[in-house]
Amino acid sequence: DTGVSQDPRHKITKRGQNVTFRCDPISEHNRLYWYRQTLGQGPEFLTYFQNEAQLEKSRLLSDRFSAERPKGSFSTLEIQRTEQGDSAMYLCASSSGQISYEQYFGPGTRLTVT
Amino acid sequence: RKEVEQDPGPFNVPEGATVAFNCTYSNSASQSFFWYRQDCRKEPKLLMSVYSSGNEDGRFTAQLNRASQYISLLIRDSKLSDSATYLCVVNEGGFQKLVFGTGTRLLVSP
Repeated sequence: DTGVSQDPRHKITKRGQNVTFRCDPISEHNRLYWYRQTLGQGPEFLTYFQNEAQLEKSRLLSDRFSAERPKGSFSTLEIQRTEQGDSAMYLCASSSGQISYEQYFGPGTRLTVT
Repeated sequence: RKEVEQDPGPFNVPEGATVAFNCTYSNSASQSFFWYRQDCRKEPKLLMSVYSSGNEDGRFTAQLNRASQYISLLIRDSKLSDSATYLCVVNEGGFQKLVFGTGTRLLVSP
C-alpha cells in the first residue's frame, strides 16, 4: 500500500497526558499537512510542511501542539497536557505540489481525552 | 460568514435519481477547487478536482462559477454506494491549505 499511513489509529488518554502521532506520507510527496476534524464539521487546517520546513501554522495550533518533519519524510504531531477539547480525528495529508495541488489523506488518528 | 458554505442535508434520494449539491466560497483569491467524499468515521477521499470549464467523471459532473464563487456537483443514476458525506473544498493559494465546508450528507435508498 503506497498511500498515506498514520499511527496509531486510535488513542485514548487521560487529561493532562502527552500524546504523539505519526504520519508517513506518499513517498514522492514533499508537502505534508495536518488537519483536525470534530464531529459534524469538515477538517480544519493545523499546519503545513514543505520538505522539513514548517511553513505555516494555524491559530488553532496552540502552544501545547508541536509538529516536526525532521528528515522531510515522516512527521509527528505532539499534544502536551491534553484537554478534553483536543478530542478529535487528526488527519494527515500529502501532496506532490502538482496536479492542482491535490491532497491525499491518511486514515487518521482518533484521539479521545477522558 | 463561513469560508465555504454547504447545505448539510441530508439529501434522501432513491436509487437511480439525479442529485445536485451546491457550495459557495468567500475568498475570491481561491485557486483550486475539489469535491471530496467521506464515509462515516473514515478519511476524506478525493472525488474530483473542479475546473473552470466544468468536468465530468462517469456519473459525476462538477461545475465552477468564479464570478459567483459557486461550485456544484451533480450525481446521475445514484447508487446505494454513493451514500456518504460530500465535502466542498477550496484551496486558498499560498501554501495551498485546504478549506472544507461542513459537508452535505447523501442517503441513497433502494
